[in-house]
Amino acid sequence: NAGVTQTPKFRILKIGQSMTLQCTQDMNHNYMYWYRQDPGMGLKLIYYSVGAGITDKGEVPNGYNVSRSTTEDFPLRLELAAPSQTSVYFCASSPRLAAYEQYFGPGTRLTVT
Amino acid sequence: DQQVKQNSPSLSVQEGRISILNCDYTNSMFDYFLWYKKYPAEGPTFLISISSIKDKNEDGRFTVFLNKSAKHLSLHIVPSQPGDSAVYFCAANGGAGNMLTFGGGTRLMVKP
Repeated sequence: NAGVTQTPKFRILKIGQSMTLQCTQDMNHNYMYWYRQDPGMGLKLIYYSVGAGITDKGEVPNGYNVSRSTTEDFPLRLELAAPSQTSVYFCASSPRLAAYEQYFGPGTRLTVT
Repeated sequence: DQQVKQNSPSLSVQEGRISILNCDYTNSMFDYFLWYKKYPAEGPTFLISISSIKDKNEDGRFTVFLNKSAKHLSLHIVPSQPGDSAVYFCAANGGAGNMLTFGGGTRLMVKP
């Protein structure tokens, strides 16, 4: 099983550009999450979804948007990229809401210059 | 305000010895704790967890201890192996929104 896949692995953006980070899971999990990890910091939750058509903000949602049209896909959209969005982004999924183990993708390393 | 803290950014241990990774939390609403392991260029993977109704959970070489009065948990790895070299994240659940709150991670290096 592929589990959680993310594309691209790396990306360099110029300030003000936009992009979409893709996330797909094949485990039929209802719950999906987007995190960012800054150096020396833990993972911070950006957005999460409890099922197709339902999303909600996490701890650090500003500058991002998400959509969930299918169970499998949970893309993260960056509008007007800023240097503060330079980070590693992880997508995760779980069969239950947050309380138990989550399955993570390999991450996308984003640099905004 | 960091609700979950891992105060040691790195730890170096000799192969075969015990590794002890520590985690402190401030939110008394947390009732479930997890440890994740992360290798470079990979996503975190779940390692072991513990409910607040227990004070110890063991899985092979990995044991997690929870001291609720001190709001402290620790991960023991015995014996440590070079393949255990990774970043370990402590996470807690049960606060606002029922989401996971992560610590900053501890990089463990196990020397052969």
